[in-house]
Amino acid sequence: DAKTTQPNSMESNEEEPVHLPCNHSTISGTDYIHWYRQLPSQGPEYVIHGLTSNVNNRMASLAIAEDRKSSTLILHRATLRDAAVYYCTEVGGSEKLVFGKGTKLTVNP
Amino acid sequence: DADVTQTPRNRITKTGKRIMLECSQTKGHDRMYWYRQDPGLGLRLIYYSFDVKDINKGEISDGYSVSRQAQAKFSLSLESAIPNQTALYFCATSDGGQPRVGAFFGQGTRLTVV
Repeated sequence: DAKTTQPNSMESNEEEPVHLPCNHSTISGTDYIHWYRQLPSQGPEYVIHGLTSNVNNRMASLAIAEDRKSSTLILHRATLRDAAVYYCTEVGGSEKLVFGKGTKLTVNP
Repeated sequence: DADVTQTPRNRITKTGKRIMLECSQTKGHDRMYWYRQDPGLGLRLIYYSFDVKDINKGEISDGYSVSRQAQAKFSLSLESAIPNQTALYFCATSDGGQPRVGAFFGQGTRLTVV
């Protein structure tokens, strides 16, 4: 049973920023927020994670609300290769790893 | 070699047949998972295992069984396959002691039951 909610789909233009939202209405204080993406015909892959502070890596940035009830995955300049399904999830020590339906991102040339 | 390997990658089987999907990992992770993916439904958890002696049902375990033969191996069985089990199946691993570390997924097994 997914604990997060995301829009079903979003659309962006190439080279524009993309903000993918996720709601974490029941997140516990020790759960990490993880994001994954699934490219067409591939298995999901890890993108980024965070606990309380905003995070940056070579793939994306993660903004976490102060109350941790929402997070946003930021792709600073979308490319056609970023077209994928993006999943957010919550990871804790004792909890199983569950996913929702994710957000399908379409990038227009 | 891939960190998480699923075999077979594709399989067509007949209704009523028993079939096993296998997953092996080289990450040394304690936790392993089996998911099913259908168009528009995301990843749904079938079974998960936190260690060799720990097996748990996920949200859609009916019609499936699993075996954790070793820390590195986790198999999913369909005792009597039916057409609505046609789907893409993914195995994943994670480190329970390191919640900051991302999970690793296999490339998937596409199963068709005819």
